[in-house]
Amino acid sequence: RKEVEQDPGPFNVPEGATVAFNCTYSNSASQSFFWYRQDCRKEPKLLMSVYSSGNEDGRFTAQLNRASQYISLLIRDSKLSDSATYLCVVNVGFSSGGSYIPTFGRGTSLIVHP
Amino acid sequence: NAGVTQTPKFQVLKTGQSMTLQCAQDMNHEYMSWYRQDPGMGLRLIHYSVGAGITDQGEVPNGYNVSRSTTEDFPLRLLSAAPSQTSVYFCASSLTSGFSYEQYFGPGTRLTVT
Repeated sequence: RKEVEQDPGPFNVPEGATVAFNCTYSNSASQSFFWYRQDCRKEPKLLMSVYSSGNEDGRFTAQLNRASQYISLLIRDSKLSDSATYLCVVNVGFSSGGSYIPTFGRGTSLIVHP
Repeated sequence: NAGVTQTPKFQVLKTGQSMTLQCAQDMNHEYMSWYRQDPGMGLRLIHYSVGAGITDQGEVPNGYNVSRSTTEDFPLRLLSAAPSQTSVYFCASSLTSGFSYEQYFGPGTRLTVT
């Protein structure tokens, strides 16, 4: 079983829709969590970090559920420009030397249509 | 700041050839890493480094070597290219202090091995 799992989609939604993605992780020692966005044939870019208390950035809301070991991303009022692949990233950190191991999910594809 | 730069952008190799993918960052980040991205597989960690002179293996290190002689540079060497190494390679960097560990990615190198 892969350590970080995401539904690959694609999620095909109309403009203005609300869409949610989940990501589950298997390592209970995971310490930090992120959502990245990747446009076709481009590098991933940070969308938002995910905090235990949940956090919101405009139309985007991220939640972390440590007990059930999943994180979620909610996008409200979808725009055409939100079409991309959304990558879930989970880091397991080590206390000495600043080392950490990031694990990426395979990504969820979102297509927003007019 | 240029951020994270990678060269070359595209490369075609014949089986058995060797080459070095270059990666540099100007953000004084301690942590640098190399990933490969294959269709349907997400990003997989090849090697990473927490500072000059310190490197370690990731999930898929076989066939690749790295070294870190300076904070800025983290080259990836393919010792004897194989068709299975056809992929898109991303270099990334981040701070290692603090909670965030946000990674900044280079634009990628698209490698084809024939």
